Amino acid sequence: DADVTQTPRNRITKTGKRIMLECSQTKGHDRMYWYRQDPGLGLRLIYYSFDVKDINKGEISDGYSVSRQAQAKFSLSLESAIPNQTALYFCATGDSYNEQFFGPGTRLTVL
Amino acid sequence: GQNIDQPTEMTATEGAIVQINCTYQTSGFNGLFWYQQHAGEAPTFLSYNVLDGLEEKGRFSSFLSRSKGYSYLLLKELQMKDSASYLCAGGGSNYQLIWGAGTKLIIKP
Repeated sequence: DADVTQTPRNRITKTGKRIMLECSQTKGHDRMYWYRQDPGLGLRLIYYSFDVKDINKGEISDGYSVSRQAQAKFSLSLESAIPNQTALYFCATGDSYNEQFFGPGTRLTVL
Repeated sequence: GQNIDQPTEMTATEGAIVQINCTYQTSGFNGLFWYQQHAGEAPTFLSYNVLDGLEEKGRFSSFLSRSKGYSYLLLKELQMKDSASYLCAGGGSNYQLIWGAGTKLIIKP
């Protein structure tokens, strides 16, 4: 079984809708991250969390919110989706050496 | 500021050697990572350098010079399956990684 899982893998939604992307991990890592990836721009950090009570904004947090329900679960919400949030979203965990382990990604399209 | 620079695209021939360069500026430097990413898939870890010098792992090697803010990834005996994007990431402060935009490597027969 995969160590980091994301659901859904693909999602098409309409402008203004609220959606949630979910991430679960079995690696036992405290640190978790949400990134988005756009062609030519690389990975950009949205939010990161060091434990259930420690959540931090990343480079591009506007329009997004997160919830760390447990050590193993970290969800990303788009409160009111807009077309420029169309992207590939990755969840990752981090170990004590700062190596990050990625989920398979969620391809989100906002129409 | 914090910044990672790497070439956008490179082309190489099957069986040859290619070197992908990366220059970085990160505050609180905490190591340099290389990841491989096939199109539409998740990045996967290739190498980590925290001290100066060369780290060899099979066909892949990675080099770091902290004084120059410079790293490279060396791929030998290129195979078609090596066609992918290669992401350079600098470990900064607070357990964040600063990511380059990635280098798309195209392998030709």
